[in-house]
Amino acid sequence: SQQGEEDPQALSIQEGENATMNCSYKTSINNLQWYRQNSGRGLVHLILIRSNEREKHSGRLRVTLDTSKKSSSLLITASRAADTASYFCATAAFSGGYNKLIFGAGTRLAVHP
Amino acid sequence: NAGVTQTPKFQVLKTGQSMTLQCAQDMNHNSMYWYRQDPGMGLRLIYYSASEGTTDKGEVPNGYNVSRLNKREFSLRLESAAPSQTSVYFCASRRDGLTGELFFGEGSRLTVL
Repeated sequence: SQQGEEDPQALSIQEGENATMNCSYKTSINNLQWYRQNSGRGLVHLILIRSNEREKHSGRLRVTLDTSKKSSSLLITASRAADTASYFCATAAFSGGYNKLIFGAGTRLAVHP
Repeated sequence: NAGVTQTPKFQVLKTGQSMTLQCAQDMNHNSMYWYRQDPGMGLRLIYYSASEGTTDKGEVPNGYNVSRLNKREFSLRLESAAPSQTSVYFCASRRDGLTGELFFGEGSRLTVL
C-alpha cells in the first residue's frame, strides 16, 4: 500500500484563494518532500522538510510536518492559474532493505481565473 | 543544462516485443532511478542505481532489466512487453545521499497492445 496518501484527490479553487493539500503516511521517515507535476511533464521538486522540522516556507509555499500524527500539509497562498497541476508528497525512509522515496497518488489542483 | 533526458518520449509496442528506454543526466549525479506512473497509483520504483556499477530492485522490478552504462546513463529494458506494462516511465537522478530531492526527466509514454 502507499506510504503517503494525499487528501483531497482533487481540489478546485479560484485565483487568489489559498489551496491546502494534506499527506498522511504510515511509518517513520527521514524527510518528506513535495513535488509538482504539470500535465504531460515530469515531476519538479518543491520543498523538503526533515523529520526534526515542523514548518518550512518557500515563496508562496508553506509546509508543515506533524510526526506524531504522521501527517504533512502543503499550503499554496494567493493561488494563480499557473499553479494548476498535480501535487505529490513523497516520504523518505529506510524500508525493505533500502532507502526508499515513496510517492502518494497525488492531489489534482485546478485554479480558475 | 539539460538535466535528465529520456528517449523516446512515446512508443507503441505489440505484446512480446522488446525495447529499451534511455536516460542520461548531465548533473554528475551518483544515483539514478526508474519509476512508472499509473493513474491513481502515484509513482512506483522499478529499479535504481545508487552509484556507477551497481543496480538494485525497487518495488515493481518484474519484467524489467536495467543497465548503468556509466555515471551519466541508466537504461531500462523490457524484454517481452505485456499490456500491464503500459504506463508512463520516468527516469530520475539524485546528487548524493539516499534521501534528498530527485530530478526527473519528462517521461516516456509506453503503450503495449
